[in-house]
Amino acid sequence: DQQVKQNSPSLSVQEGRISILNCDYTNSMFDYFLWYKKYPAEGPTFLISISSIKDKNEDGRFTVFLNKSAKHLSLHIVPSQPGDSAVYFCAASYSGAGSYQLTFGKGTKLSVIP
Amino acid sequence: SQTIHQWPATLVQPVGSPLSLECTVEGTSNPNLYWYRQAAGRGLQLLFYSVGIGQISSEVPQNLSASRPQDRQFILSSKKLLLSDSGFYLCAWSGGFSTDTQYFGPGTRLTVL
Repeated sequence: DQQVKQNSPSLSVQEGRISILNCDYTNSMFDYFLWYKKYPAEGPTFLISISSIKDKNEDGRFTVFLNKSAKHLSLHIVPSQPGDSAVYFCAASYSGAGSYQLTFGKGTKLSVIP
Repeated sequence: SQTIHQWPATLVQPVGSPLSLECTVEGTSNPNLYWYRQAAGRGLQLLFYSVGIGQISSEVPQNLSASRPQDRQFILSSKKLLLSDSGFYLCAWSGGFSTDTQYFGPGTRLTVL
C-alpha cells in the first residue's frame, strides 16, 4: 500500500515558467512533509518542508502548499531554471512516539527546457 | 556544519559475497542514522534506523544487517549478497526528533552480478 503517491513520473516545463509537482498521501496521521531534489548518482538534497499546522511555506523560488482536507501537497518552482532538472521526491512523517520513518513517493522527474 | 560521508561510491560484487558499506557523520553528536535503498524505478525504502550506539531497528525483513559501533558511524552488511540486493544505498542523519529533517549522504551504487 503506497501511502505517498506522486502520480506523474515526469514533467517538462519551459525555462522561466512555473513547475508544479504534486503529491498525495493516504495516511491521515502524517503531519510533516518534505520535498527533496535528487540528481543522478547523488543523494537527495532537502529542499523545503511544511508542518500540518500551516498551509503554505515559501523559500525563494520554492513554495510548498498543503491541503489537509484533500491530503494533497504541491511544490511550485517559479521561475523554473535548467538547473532545476532533477527527480523530486515528496516525503511524509508523523510525530508519533518512536516514529522516525520518512515515507517517500516514487519521485517525479522534472525537465526544464531552455 | 555537518557532513555525511559514504564509501565506497560504487561497488560490483558477485552473488554470495559479503558486503560492508560505511557511513560516517561529522559535526553533530548523537544523531539518528538511517539506511535507505533505492531500487531501479522505485522510491526510497527505509531499511534500518538507529537512535543510538548499538540500537538498530529494522523496517523490512531482508538479507542485510546494520550496526552502529560508534556514535557517528553506521555500517550496512551482508554475509551473502543476492541479485536483488542491487541498488543505490543511501545513508542519512537527523536530529533526535522524529520530525527533524533527514540529510542524505552521496550514496553507494551496488551492483550484484
